[in-house]
Amino acid sequence: EAQVTQNPRYLITVTGKKLTVTCSQNMNHEYMSWYRQDPGLGLRQIYYSMNVEVTDKGDVPEGYKVSRKEKRNFPLILESPSPNQTSLYFCASSFLTGNTEAFFGQGTRLTVV
Amino acid sequence: SQQGEEDPQALSIQEGENATMNCSYKTSINNLQWYRQNSGRGLVHLILIRSNEREKHSGRLRVTLDTSKKSSSLLITASRAADTASYFCATLDGKGNNRLAFGKGNQVVVIP
Repeated sequence: EAQVTQNPRYLITVTGKKLTVTCSQNMNHEYMSWYRQDPGLGLRQIYYSMNVEVTDKGDVPEGYKVSRKEKRNFPLILESPSPNQTSLYFCASSFLTGNTEAFFGQGTRLTVV
Repeated sequence: SQQGEEDPQALSIQEGENATMNCSYKTSINNLQWYRQNSGRGLVHLILIRSNEREKHSGRLRVTLDTSKKSSSLLITASRAADTASYFCATLDGKGNNRLAFGKGNQVVVIP
């Protein structure tokens, strides 16, 4: 089954404690990205990657890091989480052609206290 | 960056009625896509319409695109309770970076 898998689904952490949210896709997609979703603000892109070892900033990259060492994985790293990073996070993947749909993970609800 | 904007933002209808929501965007696009999100879950792709298309159908969904007005509409016919969800439009610009820009979403509640 074609899918994007994120882990964990829920996470409560404390300010400053480094965390990683994993994302994996099984569709051989070149393009992967991370979004955060906040009430009233919709989905905003954090980082994206067009292929292995190719990453770039989205609209709200501050406080986040990513890596793309393998095609299927695109982890999101918060080196020093802060309460304003409390949000619902989504990983998405698609082919690079652009005229195809994006597949989304089920989301990670992160709370930073 | 460009961003879709849906209108209206909240819609409550009776089962069997049609639901229409609109989306506008600011710059030229390659395509426009609609997604559905059930409460707190991941987004699911509904339909994609290319910039050279004016209308597209998929089951009970009908999407129109007017590039001269930079707007799109999504019509759900004969709504069902299971259509209760948030609906987002997303635009892909023609710059080759594959970035989707999402609107803030329409919340649709279908009352059985």
